[in-house]
Amino acid sequence: DVKVTQSSRYLVKRTGEKVFLECVQDMDHENMFWYRQDPGLGLRLIYFSYDVKMKEKGDIPEGYSVSREKKERFSLILESASTNQTSMYLCASTPGGAGAIYGYTFGSGTRLTVV
Amino acid sequence: QQPVQSPQAVILREGEDAVINCSSSKALYSVHWYRQKHGEAPVFLMILLKGGEQKGHDKISASFNEKKQQSSLYLTASQLSYSGTYFCGTEIQAGANNLFFGTGTRLTVIP
Repeated sequence: DVKVTQSSRYLVKRTGEKVFLECVQDMDHENMFWYRQDPGLGLRLIYFSYDVKMKEKGDIPEGYSVSREKKERFSLILESASTNQTSMYLCASTPGGAGAIYGYTFGSGTRLTVV
Repeated sequence: QQPVQSPQAVILREGEDAVINCSSSKALYSVHWYRQKHGEAPVFLMILLKGGEQKGHDKISASFNEKKQQSSLYLTASQLSYSGTYFCGTEIQAGANNLFFGTGTRLTVIP
């Protein structure tokens, strides 16, 4: 089975800190995604990547950046954490090409609290 | 571009049926359905593609009306294990490779 691993289950950071959320997948998937999940708002796409060193903005990229230096790893960076970035962050991956044929595989999520 | 799901929440007794709807204001290429149990990652259920047939697995099936940009998820003879939040994800063009998710429908099945 495809496995998507997020490095931390829970994180507590202070306002203004630089925060790194790591995601690793083990099935050679081309596409990787970062979503945030908030009550009543569902999952909202922050950034995604089709390939190494490639990145595309999603719906809510402000305050975030990403890095994909290796195919299996996709990092989400909060340059200066703010309290409104307190949320559950979900990473997902899927094979490339005709990606719609495949479902997403999600990681277990990182619950980030910014204080 | 976020699709709209309805209802927001539903409570069922074991054995009852439910329908969850997902609609978009944009033409769709595909619709995905996921279930998320409390504290867990969303799990893929099925994909419906434009021009494709209704899908089903066990007692959970779905349809896709591409003319109306709508999809419905049907849960038949619900079981306790069906409890969770159901999300639809929509893709507006082939190969776009990114989904827009609805806000979810919380389904609770009680004995």
